[in-house]
Amino acid sequence: GEDVEQSLFLSVREGDSSVINCTYTDSSSTYLYWYKQEPGAGLQLLTYIFSNMDMKQDQRLTVLLNKKDKHLSLRIADTQTGDSAIYFCAESRNAGNMLTFGGGTRLMVKP
Amino acid sequence: EPEVTQTPSHQVTQMGQEVILRCVPISNHLYFYWYRQILGQKVEFLVSFYNNEISEKSEIFDDQFSVERPDGSNFTLKIRSTKLEDSAMYFCASSERPGSKGNTIYFGEGSWLTVV
Repeated sequence: GEDVEQSLFLSVREGDSSVINCTYTDSSSTYLYWYKQEPGAGLQLLTYIFSNMDMKQDQRLTVLLNKKDKHLSLRIADTQTGDSAIYFCAESRNAGNMLTFGGGTRLMVKP
Repeated sequence: EPEVTQTPSHQVTQMGQEVILRCVPISNHLYFYWYRQILGQKVEFLVSFYNNEISEKSEIFDDQFSVERPDGSNFTLKIRSTKLEDSAMYFCASSERPGSKGNTIYFGEGSWLTVV
């Protein structure tokens, strides 16, 4: 079945850039998403990218997609302490009926 | 900003009891979903619902589970006879439509179910 993998943990200093990586196995993925989960809160959609795109930028967030390698990354510029959270990568095949999530990457931002 | 709301935020129930988790999706959304996250594990898809019927479900969504849209605003998940392994965070979600560019799924804050 489909699988989405992420590294468990990332630590950066405030002001640095963070890069969170994700790999997936389903070559028919159509949409790829990044969700943020703060402690005690739900899943907040950050951004998404359609599979025919290589890059998408949204303010401090840059999503890069390497479809050949099935690799997705989320870059957060000028990382702030408020960015500390768990970041989930997810993919869907049929544009939204079912999302397959990665295990999440815990981002810790040190002052 | 519109949001998906869920109740209760936390419920403790005894094994074998029935549980109903409630959700109010975003008002103009037509597609509804339940996901769950067992502690320390990935978020898993349970079921999607459109036009008053289940459109897709996972292997997890067995006969113990059911969903319903009892009125124009609520979307519920019922677990008939809870088991210890049903302990998890249950997320409700909704989307305006699938299949279109920019389709996004919005999640609620979750209902934490503890089965004892």
